Amino acid sequence: LAKTTQPISMDSYEGQEVNITCSHNNIATNDYITWYQQFPSQGPRFIIQGYKTKVTNEVASLFIPADRKSSTLSLPRVSLSDTAVYYCLVGEQAGTALIFGKGTTLSVSS
Amino acid sequence: GAVVSQHPSWVICKSGTSVKIECRSLDFQATTMFWYRQFPKQSLMLMATSNEGSKATYEQGVEKDKFLINHASLTLSTLTVTSAHPEDSSFYICSARRAGGRTDEQYFGPGTRLTVT
Repeated sequence: LAKTTQPISMDSYEGQEVNITCSHNNIATNDYITWYQQFPSQGPRFIIQGYKTKVTNEVASLFIPADRKSSTLSLPRVSLSDTAVYYCLVGEQAGTALIFGKGTTLSVSS
Repeated sequence: GAVVSQHPSWVICKSGTSVKIECRSLDFQATTMFWYRQFPKQSLMLMATSNEGSKATYEQGVEKDKFLINHASLTLSTLTVTSAHPEDSSFYICSARRAGGRTDEQYFGPGTRLTVT
């Protein structure tokens, strides 16, 4: 599985845009990039998934450059409730499990 | 859609006893389910992959005789922690991959907090 690297932590204030970048230099051709959010004592929650260029949904945007060796999760106008751990994962088609890295702990203050 | 439940949400047991945790996909069939363990302030660690109707595949370092996994149907997998000890206290999370879905199309349960006294 492609290994991912993310910043350990980030701080932000309410109303700001937060961008979390993930490196995945060994991403394979068939791999998708998926981001999950996890609150304490809860299971991870799917945020967004993409393969290339840009994907946007109601909660976030995902930017993937042409070489796909990195990706950036963009959270517009964060609120206190966005304080959580964010995981970037790269998935294979071979039927194996998702392997979680350390994730990025985002702390949003008022 | 794509809801995964776990039962119980939390459990306290005495050292030496066994505990069973259920993972159910409520509105889809899951040919594959995964079990993770998460210690405080750490990431999720994959324990095993459970395929319906076959034996589970355990990750290196996970004792298969201690963590018994059964995936008897397309909507239910169970994890039994046998002869639990305090060091088994952790947050156990399952995920389910929709039948016919991609590997990375997984849905996670809410987790089960196990405390062994």
